[in-house]
Amino acid sequence: AQSVTQLDSHVSVSEGTPVLLRCNYSSSYSPSLFWYVQHPNKGLQLLLKYTSAATLVKGINGFEAEFKKSETSFHLTKPSAHMSDAAEYFCVVSARNNDMRFGAGTRLTVKP
Amino acid sequence: DTGVSQNPRHKITKRGQNVTFRCDPISEHNRLYWYRQTLGQGPEFLTYFQNEAQLEKSRLLSDRFSAERPKGSFSTLEIQRTEQGDSAMYLCASSFGGTASGNTIYFGEGSWLTVV
Repeated sequence: AQSVTQLDSHVSVSEGTPVLLRCNYSSSYSPSLFWYVQHPNKGLQLLLKYTSAATLVKGINGFEAEFKKSETSFHLTKPSAHMSDAAEYFCVVSARNNDMRFGAGTRLTVKP
Repeated sequence: DTGVSQNPRHKITKRGQNVTFRCDPISEHNRLYWYRQTLGQGPEFLTYFQNEAQLEKSRLLSDRFSAERPKGSFSTLEIQRTEQGDSAMYLCASSFGGTASGNTIYFGEGSWLTVV
């Protein structure tokens, strides 16, 4: 079975400072990993995905994530936070049965 | 707009009533998924279809819940004899191919259900 654990339920940063949202995964097989963002009253939008190619994955809006098999981690980073980045972020794992498992989410707050 | 469309966006119903949600996926997508999301939680998988075949159902999908995709296009999710615990956002998503291969699934904006 596969699962993800998002290590922080809430992260608060100042505008212009780096963002780090942490995710650890568990999977019996080589997983595909995703980060989605959800703005209030909006649908889920894909930020980036890892599918066993390059371990450093670049996504939209300046986000990137690094797949580290030895640490079973897939942390999301951004060098400089923007006010519009404030949202809920979900780490997602998908394995052989195509069942996507979402983490509980990390709420990102960006202070001016 | 060719994204995933869900209707209605909001539904308030009395306990014990039946409700039905509709999802229109992206037209060329052969897979369609239903998820449920409650406040403060990540989406939880309910079921998915490949074309018209329902291939997997979660244990969360009690016998009061039924999903159909009769022609492999749109899908409906019906909840019979609603309970207050059914209050949640029901998300529909679609993809071309399985997510295990890294195919992206695209989500609709969800249908909010409030059971009073």
